[in-house]
Amino acid sequence: ELKVEQNPLFLSMQEGKNYTIYCNYSTTSDRLYWYRQDPGKSLESLFVLLSNGAVKQEGRLMASLDTKARLSTLHITAAVHDLSATYFCAVVGTTSGTYKYIFGTGTRLKVLA
Amino acid sequence: NAGVTQTPKFRILKIGQSMTLQCTQDMNHNYMYWYRQDPGMGLKLIYYSVGAGITDKGEVPNGYNVSRSTTEDFPLRLELAAPSQTSVYFCASSFTRLAGGPHNEQFFGPGTRLTVL
Repeated sequence: ELKVEQNPLFLSMQEGKNYTIYCNYSTTSDRLYWYRQDPGKSLESLFVLLSNGAVKQEGRLMASLDTKARLSTLHITAAVHDLSATYFCAVVGTTSGTYKYIFGTGTRLKVLA
Repeated sequence: NAGVTQTPKFRILKIGQSMTLQCTQDMNHNYMYWYRQDPGMGLKLIYYSVGAGITDKGEVPNGYNVSRSTTEDFPLRLELAAPSQTSVYFCASSFTRLAGGPHNEQFFGPGTRLTVL
């Protein structure tokens, strides 16, 4: 069964601190996506990771992919209030020869001033 | 480009009523998806389509129907609304060069907030 687990599910952190969100998945996959969802809004794409060892950075967010460990991380550096949102990872895996797109459970991040 | 558009933004239905949620994309994407998101939860895939005329069930298809007669449009039909279908519905699209190939980055519509009373 294809499973994507994120931890933590909830994260409350002070401005200026660093933290990492983890995304573990159960299937072989060579691509992983990170999305952001602001409260009451839709999802927007943050990062596309297409190979083992891929690292992408934008602003205070950096995402990496280790396909051998089936793990992706989203690292937050010196958090600011504007980063408060829910972050989802998603993986593309195969079941019986059919590709499936599976979202993680989401991590709700709250950055306190 | 408008991207992915959905109508309506909000709707209240009575139990047993029917309705169609509209979704249109103008990016010439071949793959389209319907998700539901219950309060405080993640996304659950209802149906998806890899091209015009081709649809397939996702994780939670019961109570819903879809059609894909054109590349641009992917409406979602609720036939007999039930309180359990109260949710926010998101339509998304993506493009892949290889038919039946791995799904790519998805672009989401603004969502439709549906309440069934």
